[in-house]
Amino acid sequence: DTAVSQTPKYLVTQMGNDKSIKCEQNLGHDTMYWYKQDSKKFLKIMFSYNNKELIINETVPNRFSPKSPDKAHLNLHINSLELGDSAVYFCASSIRGANEQFFGPGTRLTVL
Amino acid sequence: QKEVEQDPGPLSVPEGAIVSLNCTYSNSAFQYFMWYRQYSRKGPELLMYTYSSGNKEDGRFTAQVDKSSKYISLFIRDSQPSDSATYLCAMMGGSNYKLTFGKGTLLTVNP
Repeated sequence: DTAVSQTPKYLVTQMGNDKSIKCEQNLGHDTMYWYKQDSKKFLKIMFSYNNKELIINETVPNRFSPKSPDKAHLNLHINSLELGDSAVYFCASSIRGANEQFFGPGTRLTVL
Repeated sequence: QKEVEQDPGPLSVPEGAIVSLNCTYSNSAFQYFMWYRQYSRKGPELLMYTYSSGNKEDGRFTAQVDKSSKYISLFIRDSQPSDSATYLCAMMGGSNYKLTFGKGTLLTVNP
């Protein structure tokens, strides 16, 4: 009965490759998010979708492209991976406007 | 100046100590103030939230907000080894409901 799940949990890849991370929530929430947490634990919003519509798009390289096929899913595709993309990527969900966001377990991406 | 400033620590205290964690912010639009706890290799989880100046208590935890000084605090009484985690302050304001996090403070409570 996992609330917010992400796959894969770990991802190790070479520079220049393209990879995707998937997120699913079964909480019935209408808003989903992608965050990046760097090695110093700084957690920063990347994107947010509400009912499949992009509502937050921070200053993120256009190599990162989110896709929301439905309210319960939000995927992140990254093209031409760079060393600086190494981080933990968290998916989260909430009811829009609510204070509490529910986070997934994270995907630890390592770019070699 | 960053929107949210938080001392990253690390902070190490003996079991039973009172812990004080703090954040300052610069954006007057922030209306909601939250503390998230993140255990190692896990996602953050909401610990407490408040939307007004003053104190809010929940068990051993007290959240304090001073909007005039743009300063928020989290106090942990009778700290336990199970409280060892990274504590992130987070703030929300504006129409897009975006959460802005502090850098997190790593707390270790030693038995």
